[in-house]
Amino acid sequence: ETGVTQTPRHLVMGMTNKKSLKCEQHLGHNAMYWYKQSAKKPLELMFVYSLEERVENNSVPSRFSPECPNSSHLFLHLHTLQPEDSALYLCASSHLTNPLNAFFGQGTRLTVV
Amino acid sequence: RKEVEQDPGPFNVPEGATVAFNCTYSNSASQSFFWYRQDCRKEPKLLMSVYSSGNEDGRFTAQLNRASQYISLLIRDSKLSDSATYLCVVWMNYGGSQGNLIFGKGTKLSVKP
Repeated sequence: ETGVTQTPRHLVMGMTNKKSLKCEQHLGHNAMYWYKQSAKKPLELMFVYSLEERVENNSVPSRFSPECPNSSHLFLHLHTLQPEDSALYLCASSHLTNPLNAFFGQGTRLTVV
Repeated sequence: RKEVEQDPGPFNVPEGATVAFNCTYSNSASQSFFWYRQDCRKEPKLLMSVYSSGNEDGRFTAQLNRASQYISLLIRDSKLSDSATYLCVVWMNYGGSQGNLIFGKGTKLSVKP
């Protein structure tokens, strides 16, 4: 079992829906990340949480709203998404002292219809 | 100019072949370098770090040329199980432990019997 677990694995949602992606890590890490992987594009960093505080937001539209209630859990709340937001959303975690060694969850494949 | 550039492939090779992947990065301040492997519909996983002196892990050899801002991965005696997308990744440090992993789009490898 992976140390970083994401649910759901697959999600289909309409443009007017509200849904949330969940990420949980069992590795004792204190930094968590959301990445987006679209077809034929590199992984794009969306958000970084360090010790439960958001430290980076890479110009992500407000229709994506992250939440980090504790160091083990990370959410991505979605509302009024667009079809171009369809992608694989990957969560990762690491130690602050070793941010290069990030472990990824298996991702949520999101389709917006 | 893209931050991390890779030939997207696909590279279609027979079992037992030797295959080489190349990668260039645009920011000379990049500090650490990695190859990740991503299987179809799975998360990226760290394959190996890349050191200035070059390093080898079994059939895999990674090389770094800082002057040319060039990274390579050589796979010898390729196996069917090597079929995956190989992501070139650089670490940009912004100060302290803050930084980002910057991913290339990946090079797809397909090893045929």
